[in-house]
Amino acid sequence: AQSVTQPDIHITVSEGASLELRCNYSYGATPYLFWYVQSPGQGLQLLLKYFSGDTLVQGIKGFEAEFKRSQSSFNLRKPSVHWSDAAEYFCAVLNNDMRFGAGTRLTVKP
Amino acid sequence: EAQVTQNPRYLITVTGKKLTVTCSQNMNHEYMSWYRQDPGLGLRQIYYSMNVEVTDKGDVPEGYKVSRKEKRNFPLILESPSPNQTSLYFCASSLSAGLVSGELFFGEGSRLTVL
Repeated sequence: AQSVTQPDIHITVSEGASLELRCNYSYGATPYLFWYVQSPGQGLQLLLKYFSGDTLVQGIKGFEAEFKRSQSSFNLRKPSVHWSDAAEYFCAVLNNDMRFGAGTRLTVKP
Repeated sequence: EAQVTQNPRYLITVTGKKLTVTCSQNMNHEYMSWYRQDPGLGLRQIYYSMNVEVTDKGDVPEGYKVSRKEKRNFPLILESPSPNQTSLYFCASSLSAGLVSGELFFGEGSRLTVL
């Protein structure tokens, strides 16, 4: 079955530390891949997307993600987390339609 | 300002009382969709619409209806709400029916409680 897995339900990092949020997908072909962020009380906002080409993609707010075909992964990274990055992050895959992972909630410690 | 607008943002109702959550977008988008968000389950698609008068079921359509009579509007109807429909609902739109732009624009959400 087609699926998107975010193994970490909740992650806590200290402000200024690096961040990596994991995403794995299970699809027959290479799908289109996305990361969305949801701030408290808000809808989702697109951070970045991968369609083809360079497997390292840059997004807004200093985020980047790397597509690794061999691992069926699309992990989100940020070198130095800011307190304002506290939010819920969703990985999504577009094949015939958009499928979302269950989300990872990020807490940032001062 | 380009946006997706949902109303109401918050609603408490009782079992069996019909309700409608409206969704309107001002970006001339072809594609519109409804999701529900529940803890630990992420976003699950309820219904979607590729264009006017074209709607299809998503993963969890039971208990919901939609209509797409105009391009900008995509209301979600709960004919007889039940407590298991207590959730946070999001409307989203995208430029093209095939989602080739890849970007969904989301409303701010409607939190529904059914007692």
